[in-house]
Amino acid sequence: AQSVTQPDARVTVSEGASLQLRCKYSYSGTPYLFWYVQYPRQGLQLLLKYYSGDPVVQGVNGFEAEFSKSNSSFHLRKASVHWSDSAVYFCVLSEGTGNYKYVFGAGTRLKVIA
Amino acid sequence: EAAVTQSPRNKVAVTGGKVTLSCNQTNNHNNMYWYRQDTGHGLRLIHYSYGAGSTEKGDIPDGYKASRPSQENFSLILELATPSQTSVYFCASGDAANTEVFFGKGTRLTVV
Repeated sequence: AQSVTQPDARVTVSEGASLQLRCKYSYSGTPYLFWYVQYPRQGLQLLLKYYSGDPVVQGVNGFEAEFSKSNSSFHLRKASVHWSDSAVYFCVLSEGTGNYKYVFGAGTRLKVIA
Repeated sequence: EAAVTQSPRNKVAVTGGKVTLSCNQTNNHNNMYWYRQDTGHGLRLIHYSYGAGSTEKGDIPDGYKASRPSQENFSLILELATPSQTSVYFCASGDAANTEVFFGKGTRLTVV
């Protein structure tokens, strides 16, 4: 069965520092991968998605992610974080378009400090 | 702008009572979903629907029913609420291709 692991439950970084949030997946085929962000008392918002092609995908607000089939990973990165990036980030896997199965990681809570 | 609206946003229910969570979407999406969010689990799928009149069981359907009377509305029903159903519930909608799923802001349910 497919699964998504986000090994870091909490991450704290200083404002202006670079960021990497890790995501590992388990799936025998080629996955469709997403990163969603959840701000306090809000629903989830899509940051970026990967279906195929260039393994580095760009998202909103300066976020990018890199897909690695050999490592079964889809790590999220940002060159310079802002305090407003403090939120919970979810890595999500789907078997493909049209398939209802979205499998969520447990989430990583990011705190950006001054 | 895609819109998914949940009501109520907060609810306190008594054990054994009936609870109905409502969801409305103005995206004209075929697919709608109910998830619950608990610390350490991410979001888990309770029920989903492919269109008006259809409901399907997700990964954790026990203790929940769903109703999709129209394209726009999808309800989650707890016939006999239990404290273990205390959680934050999210409704979402997606088009038939599921290239992106849009979420509501959530309903915080406390069963006492």
